[in-house]
Amino acid sequence: EAQVTQNPRYLITVTGKKLTVTCSQNMNHEYMSWYRQDPGLGLRQIYYSMNVEVTDKGDVPEGYKVSRKEKRNFPLILESPSPNQTSLYFCASSSVPAVNTGELFFGEGSRLTVL
Amino acid sequence: GQNIDQPTEMTATEGAIVQINCTYQTSGFNGLFWYQQHAGEAPTFLSYNVLDGLEEKGRFSSFLSRSKGYSYLLLKELQMKDSASYLCAVRDGNSGNTPLVFGKGTRLSVIA
Repeated sequence: EAQVTQNPRYLITVTGKKLTVTCSQNMNHEYMSWYRQDPGLGLRQIYYSMNVEVTDKGDVPEGYKVSRKEKRNFPLILESPSPNQTSLYFCASSSVPAVNTGELFFGEGSRLTVL
Repeated sequence: GQNIDQPTEMTATEGAIVQINCTYQTSGFNGLFWYQQHAGEAPTFLSYNVLDGLEEKGRFSSFLSRSKGYSYLLLKELQMKDSASYLCAVRDGNSGNTPLVFGKGTRLSVIA
């Protein structure tokens, strides 16, 4: 089954404790991206990657890191989480042609709470 | 900058037709997209418009007017399962590298 898998789905952590949210897709997609979704603000892009070893900042990259060492994986790293990073996070992927037509495939989301 | 506006909430009756509007102001334009998101779930892709006019896909249609910076999503024969948030998104650059910018979404409630 074609899917984008995120882990963990739910996490409560404390300020300053490094964490990684993993994202993996099995569709051989070149494009992968991370979004955060907050009430009243909608979906905002954090980082994206057009292919292996190629990453770029989105609209809200501060406090986050990513890496793209393999095509299927695109982990989101919070080196020192803060309460304002409490949010619902979505990973998305797409093939290059589908990116042009805006068809993103989203993971199920990871709800992160930073105390 | 980028600005995408859509109503926060709408309510409609089962079996009826509803139109969800989206206006945008971007420096460039390379496509307008609609996504559906049920509560607690991931967004799913509905439609893509890059030229003016109406794109129909079953019960859902999407319209675009580039000169007016305006789009709407039309849902016909509403069903209870259509209760969801509908997200309008725009790409304001000229390549697939340019990220989508999402509006805040319209929460649609379908009532009996």
